[in-house]
Amino acid sequence: SQQGEEDPQALSIQEGENATMNCSYKTSINNLQWYRQNSGRGLVHLILIRSNEREKHSGRLRVTLDTSKKSSSLLITASRAADTASYFCATGRSGNTGKLIFGQGTTLQVKP
Amino acid sequence: DGGITQSPKYLFRKEGQNVTLSCEQNLNHDAMYWYRQDPGQGLRLIYYSQIVNDFQKGDIAEGYSVSREKKESFPLTVTSAQKNPTAFYLCASSIAAWGLESGYTFGSGTRLTVV
Repeated sequence: SQQGEEDPQALSIQEGENATMNCSYKTSINNLQWYRQNSGRGLVHLILIRSNEREKHSGRLRVTLDTSKKSSSLLITASRAADTASYFCATGRSGNTGKLIFGQGTTLQVKP
Repeated sequence: DGGITQSPKYLFRKEGQNVTLSCEQNLNHDAMYWYRQDPGQGLRLIYYSQIVNDFQKGDIAEGYSVSREKKESFPLTVTSAQKNPTAFYLCASSIAAWGLESGYTFGSGTRLTVV
């Protein structure tokens, strides 16, 4: 069953604007990860946030985690055309396996 | 430079044929994974291996087989029992189980098509 659900499924913005993508999940997690995938390529790891953390930054990326609402958001500030890609959240379950489960992704288009 | 190499980039399979997808990493990672991605979908776990000479079935293992005889290599065989193998296959590795320390490193994928 799907764990992470991204919202929106697709997002189109102008270069320079901010892009926000959300991820909701159902069960307890020990970490949440965000990945980027350019068309036809492998995924690239962006940020990992642990369940005891609320916010992390990496360059123009800001990730928040609200475990009470079982949700996370990825903010890309001052977007560029090169940010055009699909973005996936992946949740690591609490407990023995910690298996990472990927959502279906948000497709971001940044228009120049 | 360290990384994961998947080959071939494109693969065509005839009905009833077994094919093997290669995945090699030089990152010294213990854990390796195979995922399947269908158009517009997320990733589904086929098999994973947390240590050499050991591997476990994922969520959609039927019709697939793997081996982990060397730490660097985790080949995936798509057998004739897999009825709908057309998909994009991604191999990944991580230093800690399930990418808990620093996430996964992915290969560039193999696109398999049944002809």
